[in-house]
Amino acid sequence: EPEVTQTPSHQVTQMGQEVILRCVPISNHLYFYWYRQILGQKVEFLVSFYNNEISEKSEIFDDQFSVERPDGSNFTLKIRSTKLEDSAMYFCASSPSTAIPYEQYFGPGTRLTVT
Amino acid sequence: AQRVTQPEKLLSVFKGAPVELKCNYSYSGSPELFWYVQYSRQRLQLLLRHISRESIKGFTADLNKGETSFHLKKPFAQEEDSAMYYCARGETSGSRLTFGEGTQLTVNP
Repeated sequence: EPEVTQTPSHQVTQMGQEVILRCVPISNHLYFYWYRQILGQKVEFLVSFYNNEISEKSEIFDDQFSVERPDGSNFTLKIRSTKLEDSAMYFCASSPSTAIPYEQYFGPGTRLTVT
Repeated sequence: AQRVTQPEKLLSVFKGAPVELKCNYSYSGSPELFWYVQYSRQRLQLLLRHISRESIKGFTADLNKGETSFHLKKPFAQEEDSAMYYCARGETSGSRLTFGEGTQLTVNP
C-alpha cells in the first residue's frame, strides 16, 4: 500500500539556521499538508497546498515558513531562521481527491530539534 | 476558530471492558468528523469518518449534532487497542483538519 514518506526522521539544528523538511506524498494525490506537534500539545495545521499554490495557511505559518513542490514528487517545508520554539514533530499529509468523504494520509513525521 | 475537545488525556480500561472516548466539537458549518489513531512508534492513521458510518476494528462513532459530539466506542476493548486517539474535524474537501488534544487509551490485561 502506498505511503507518505518523510526525510529526515530527526533533524537537529542550531537556532537561526535554515532547515528543509522533505516529504514524498502518495503519487496520485492532489492536496498536500504540513502539520506540527509540539511535545505534549495537539497536532496543529500549518499549511495546505493544491495546484502548485498555497490554498490555506494558519497563523503559525508566518514569513519564516515556505513550502514548495519542486519536482512533481517532493513537497518541502522550509524554515528560514529556526527558533527554539520551532522544535516539534512535523507531519506531512496528502489527500487523494476533491470528493467528500476525503481523508488525509500522514507521513511518519520529522522530529526537529532546535538548540 | 473551530474547536475540537477531548476531555480525557488518559483513559485506562481492562481487556473486555467497554470503552468510550469522548469528543465534542464547536458548532458551526457542516463539519466532517474523523477519528485518527496513532499506535506506538507508528504514524497517524485514519480509523473512522462519520460520513461512512462504518465499524473499524470493532469501533464505531456516531455524530450527535444536538450535543455536537462524536464519541468513539467499542464494546469489548482489546490490548492491541492501546494507542493515542485523536478526534478531528474538517470543513470541506482539501481543507485543514482541526485536531483535539488526544486521548491515550491503555487496555490492561
